Amino acid sequence: DTAVSQTPKYLVTQMGNDKSIKCEQNLGHDTMYWYKQDSKKFLKIMFSYNNKELIINETVPNRFSPKSPDKAHLNLHINSLELGDSAVYFCASSQGTEGGRDFGAGTRLSVL
Amino acid sequence: AQSVSQHNHHVILSEAASLELGCNYSYGGTVNLFWYVQYPGQHLQLLLKYFSGDPLVKGIKGFEAEFIKSKFSFNLRKPSVQWSDTAEYFCAVNARDSSYKLIFGSGTRLLVRP
Repeated sequence: DTAVSQTPKYLVTQMGNDKSIKCEQNLGHDTMYWYKQDSKKFLKIMFSYNNKELIINETVPNRFSPKSPDKAHLNLHINSLELGDSAVYFCASSQGTEGGRDFGAGTRLSVL
Repeated sequence: AQSVSQHNHHVILSEAASLELGCNYSYGGTVNLFWYVQYPGQHLQLLLKYFSGDPLVKGIKGFEAEFIKSKFSFNLRKPSVQWSDTAEYFCAVNARDSSYKLIFGSGTRLLVRP
């Protein structure tokens, strides 16, 4: 069983479109995250939810909107996609925030 | 500014060579330290972590790391690398100063030649 699963694995779309990435964890963790990995492999936190409440919101454009229907799910919706949004997006989860994270396999987003 | 630095961006070694990857951080107070590995096309996997206690921690696949508080360092080591260790290695720091955001270094790409 995959602990942190995200779909889709690949997403190719045109500029201006709206897309969503879904994430689910079956580890019973109370905190979930979205990270963005750019073309230089640099990983940066975008959002964090603890028990469905937003606790970290980095300087991410308003076009990005996370939604956590329950503590096992954290979805990411992106409006009006831009070329610069092309990256690999990783979902992660943890129990509390002080420890490490369990990462999903990533979603490679390509905006054409 | 608070940061995590990995000084070696690219490392090329032959099989059986010894490995040491540097990691320095600039957070004060209590820190939790991690090394993650990302094999080509895959997600990040935890290699090892340090929370407290013995500053020399052993992880999976023969890796170890030493926390030196006075140097703000957490270097990763392996006595003898294998071709299968070819990957990107990320140091990460979780600190109260950073609201436990888990901040990553820029990564070190390791290529092991057979």
